[in-house]
Amino acid sequence: KAGVTQTPRYLIKTRGQQVTLSCSPISGHRSVSWYQQTPGQGLQFLFEYFSETQRNKGNFPGRFSGRQFSNSRSEMNVSTLELGDSALYLCASSLDARQRVQYFGPGTRLTVT
Amino acid sequence: KQEVTQIPAALSVPEGENLVLNCSFTDSAIYNLQWFRQDPGKGLTSLLLIQSSQREQTSGRLNASLDKSSGRSTLYIAASQPGDSATYLCAVLAGGGADGLTFGKGTHLIIQP
Repeated sequence: KAGVTQTPRYLIKTRGQQVTLSCSPISGHRSVSWYQQTPGQGLQFLFEYFSETQRNKGNFPGRFSGRQFSNSRSEMNVSTLELGDSALYLCASSLDARQRVQYFGPGTRLTVT
Repeated sequence: KQEVTQIPAALSVPEGENLVLNCSFTDSAIYNLQWFRQDPGKGLTSLLLIQSSQREQTSGRLNASLDKSSGRSTLYIAASQPGDSATYLCAVLAGGGADGLTFGKGTHLIIQP
C-alpha cells in the first residue's frame, strides 16, 4: 500500500506570495491532518479534515487554510507569506485520527525569503 | 492547555545498551499517546500507539508504557543499535480529539557503534 505523499517536497517563495501544498493520504483513509514543524516551536497542529469537513483547527492565523476533496486528497494554502512561515509542513493520514495511528508523509520544506 | 515534555533532550549511548525515554503530559484526559521517530530531514514514522485504556504496547525491541493518572509514558528500547539513532517524539491526542496531536520537543538519540 502506498504511503502518504506530499508535493512539492521543496519550495522557495518570497514574502507576500501565497503557496499551496498538496497531500495524498493512504488509500481508504478519510482523515488528513496538517502540522508545521520549526526548530523553535517544534511540531504544531494546523488543522484536520475528515470526509471533506474541517473537524479541528489549531491556533494559527487565518492566512493558513485548507480543504479536502472527495477522494480525501487535501491541500493547504498559506497566503501573504511571512519569513516566519519557513518550516517543514507535514501531513498525516488516518482511518480516523481520534482512534487510529496517524501516518505521516515526508513533508514539504517551505523557505520564505 | 495540554503540554508534553520529554526528558532527556539528548542522549548518547554505546551500542547494545537498554535505554528509557521519558514523556510527561499535563492533562490526563487523552484519547491516546503515540511514539514516533524522525530521521534528519524526514517525516515521522509511527512506532507505537497506546489507547487511553491500555497500559503498554510492544513492537520488537520497543516497549511503551502509559500511566494516565500520573501523566507519564516511557519508551523502552532494548539492545540498542546504531540504526536506532534518530529523534524520538511523544505525542498525545487530547480527549475530545480537538487540537490534533500535541507533541513534545523530542529526545535526540545517538547510538555509538
